[in-house]
Amino acid sequence: DAGVIQSPRHEVTEMGQEVTLRCKPISGHDYLFWYRQTMMRGLELLIYFNNNVPIDDSGMPEDRFSAKMPNASFSTLKIQPSEPRDSAVYFCASRGGTANYGYTFGSGTRLTVV
Amino acid sequence: KQEVTQIPAALSVPEGENLVLNCSFTDSAIYNLQWFRQDPGKGLTSLLLIQSSQREQTSGRLNASLDKSSGRSTLYIAASQPGDSATYLCAGVNAGKSTFGDGTTLTVKP
Repeated sequence: DAGVIQSPRHEVTEMGQEVTLRCKPISGHDYLFWYRQTMMRGLELLIYFNNNVPIDDSGMPEDRFSAKMPNASFSTLKIQPSEPRDSAVYFCASRGGTANYGYTFGSGTRLTVV
Repeated sequence: KQEVTQIPAALSVPEGENLVLNCSFTDSAIYNLQWFRQDPGKGLTSLLLIQSSQREQTSGRLNASLDKSSGRSTLYIAASQPGDSATYLCAGVNAGKSTFGDGTTLTVKP
């Protein structure tokens, strides 16, 4: 298995532009998570899905952020419009359907908004 | 609400030393406890997963223990090497999601 695949690896965009981050979870994993990591705030859970359904989006900072999971093998995190304070590393992780399975993280997308 | 604390925040040791990293959590009703390693600019790599019914897991020079009653987990690293230098994070998994600690940044000096 290729693991959790995220794209792009790096993204530099201007303030006000739309940004879309992509994630392909491990096949067979029922849970998908989006995290954001910064030096100031550490690792923050933004949203997670179970069987493609959003379960908890309380970590989504504001309405500029949205996430979708149209099928079991693909998810997107969109920021529109982007702001400099959104600059961070965004991680996607997936996990099997029982809590006995651990998390597998993608390599992350480093987002810089200038 | 689950809170996870890791102490110390940073640790520097000479090569060859055995060391212990600590992780404490407030909600003992966790499903499992997972330890990760993160190198600078990289993602999180899973090291060990301890199920709630287990007390410890071992992988090579790493040994992780779990005491749910006291809300504590430890990661023991034997015979540390410079290549062990990284940030180590623990996560307590409750219903659906995990709560991560802020990590311990380990530096092993040659």
